[in-house]
Amino acid sequence: DVKVTQSSRYLVKRTGEKVFLECVQDMDHENMFWYRQDPGLGLRLIYFSYDVKMKEKGDIPEGYSVSREKKERFSLILESASTNQTSMYLCASSLMGGELFFGEGSRLTVL
Amino acid sequence: QKEVEQNSGPLSVPEGAIASLNCTYSDRGSQSFFWYRQYSGKSPELIMFIYSNGDKEDGRFTAQLNKASQYVSLLIRDSQPSDSATYLCAVPLGGNEKLTFGTGTRLTIIP
Repeated sequence: DVKVTQSSRYLVKRTGEKVFLECVQDMDHENMFWYRQDPGLGLRLIYFSYDVKMKEKGDIPEGYSVSREKKERFSLILESASTNQTSMYLCASSLMGGELFFGEGSRLTVL
Repeated sequence: QKEVEQNSGPLSVPEGAIASLNCTYSDRGSQSFFWYRQYSGKSPELIMFIYSNGDKEDGRFTAQLNKASQYVSLLIRDSQPSDSATYLCAVPLGGNEKLTFGTGTRLTIIP
């Protein structure tokens, strides 16, 4: 079974802090994604990576950056957390096409 | 206009009846369409995909696609309480690997 592991299930941070969300997949997938999910807004793509060191902006990249130094690991970075970044963050991977495998999610609260 | 649009529900269906979930999309060039199921507190999981006009059946699930009308639907026959979940329609807009999700339809099966 494909396993996508997100390092933290719950985080509480203060405004202005730097936040790292880590994601690791074990199926040698080329593509990795970071989404955030908010009530009424659904899943929105933040960043996408199709290869090591390659990244593309999604629909809402502002305030975020990403890093993919190894194929299996994709990190989401909030340089200076703000309260409007309080959300559920979902990492996903795929080999190709639209079959995404999601991690369990990281619920971030920014105070 | 939202790029992928779904009725948010909630949609309540008696056990054993047919549940019908609908989705419209804006990109006439889209070629593939995906249905994800998300249980409360869990991550989305892929349940169906469809590429060609017409119907695709998988057990109790049928996906229907009408590209001319830019409309895709999911039918669940013999609905069970375990089908109660939020169903997300997803489309790779712009012909790439990045999925755009609808906001989801919350389905409740009433015993």
